[in-house]
Amino acid sequence: GAVVSQHPSWVICKSGTSVKIECRSLDFQATTMFWYRQFPKQSLMLMATSNEGSKATYEQGVEKDKFLINHASLTLSTLTVTSAHPEDSSFYICSATVAGGPNAVDTQYFGPGTRLTVL
Amino acid sequence: DQQVKQNSPSLSVQEGRISILNCDYTNSMFDYFLWYKKYPAEGPTFLISISSIKDKNEDGRFTVFLNKSAKHLSLHIVPSQPGDSAVYFCAASRVNTGNQFYFGTGTSLTVIP
Repeated sequence: GAVVSQHPSWVICKSGTSVKIECRSLDFQATTMFWYRQFPKQSLMLMATSNEGSKATYEQGVEKDKFLINHASLTLSTLTVTSAHPEDSSFYICSATVAGGPNAVDTQYFGPGTRLTVL
Repeated sequence: DQQVKQNSPSLSVQEGRISILNCDYTNSMFDYFLWYKKYPAEGPTFLISISSIKDKNEDGRFTVFLNKSAKHLSLHIVPSQPGDSAVYFCAASRVNTGNQFYFGTGTSLTVIP
């Protein structure tokens, strides 16, 4: 159980184009989904928190107009990188949460990630 | 500002021996800690967690130890198996604050057969 998928797994695009990445919880309904970005040999950096039916909450330094997040349902969140540039090339990972107990954080189940390369 | 640090980028251990992965944090407000395992080109998978009200949590071959006074936690894997070879991330969070996770930079474990 608790499987999260991402599509596509990798994408190469030209500078200036937009790319949409989908994150789906396959066998559970996720109240919250998170989007992370990972540079080589660095930690996962949280970009934004997404709740179904409401606007995403972006972390400091993340441009919300560039990284558009839509959380259409309890099983689907999308990240659109608008007008992508080479510096946006990275590994993007989403996670979906399952409610934890009163003395625990919600466990995050991660998708397999999407490798974006902008030429 | 890296609030969670894993100072060893890599670790090699012989099969059957103990693997010890270390993690330090700076924010004393963190009260929940997790370890994730990640294979190349895959997302992290949850391994084990510990609340700050405990100093040890064990699950099969995996044990996490927490030293709150030192702001240090460690993951012990015993006995280590070749399939354990992966990158291990520790993460810290605060209960009831929106589930934001702060990840370390990871330690790449290689278990030598």
